[in-house]
Amino acid sequence: EDQVTQSPEALRLQEGESSSLNCSYTVSGLRGLFWYRQDPGKGPEFLFTLYSAGEEKEKERLKATLTKKESFLHITAPKPEDSATYLCAVQARASSNTGKLIFGQGTTLQVKP
Amino acid sequence: DTEVTQTPKHLVMGMTNKKSLKCEQHMGHRAMYWYKQKAKKPPELMFVYSYEKLSINESVPSRFSPECPNSSLLNLHLHALQPEDSALYLCASSPGGVGTPQHFGDGTRLSIL
Repeated sequence: EDQVTQSPEALRLQEGESSSLNCSYTVSGLRGLFWYRQDPGKGPEFLFTLYSAGEEKEKERLKATLTKKESFLHITAPKPEDSATYLCAVQARASSNTGKLIFGQGTTLQVKP
Repeated sequence: DTEVTQTPKHLVMGMTNKKSLKCEQHMGHRAMYWYKQKAKKPPELMFVYSYEKLSINESVPSRFSPECPNSSLLNLHLHALQPEDSALYLCASSPGGVGTPQHFGDGTRLSIL
């Protein structure tokens, strides 16, 4: 069964304290791994797509990496405005013709000044 | 501002009312999605439209009725809802190809009295 697990469930950081969020996945044929950021009361905001092991994407203080079993979202020197819930989702081969995503439960990040 | 626009932002309705949620995108995307999201949970897929045809119904109760009048518009008609249907309803769109990311609107916050 295709599955996505995110850890930790919640993370508290001091401003400037770098850390990583983990997304472990078990899918039969990865067609894409997606990272989203969601602020309270808003819809998920697309951040990155990763397709193959070894791939990396960067945007400001965020860097996403991918291996054959997991993805990491590295946050360098975070600021309070980085506080949000970060969602990981995968598209598997079985559902690639419909675009269906399998979501993890999310990691809620709080960055204190 | 997101490129997927949802109206209304908030909706309160009684269990006997009929209402509709509206979603619009002008990115030329060929796939559109409805999701339901409860507090502190990831989005749950409800329906997928591909090229204006319903391609996935995730066993959603018939009190939810989707409609895709054209490639830019997606509606969700609501009738005889239950209190447990209170949630954030998200619309998303994607170009429709394998591994393409979905872009979400900010949702409609629905409360059933």
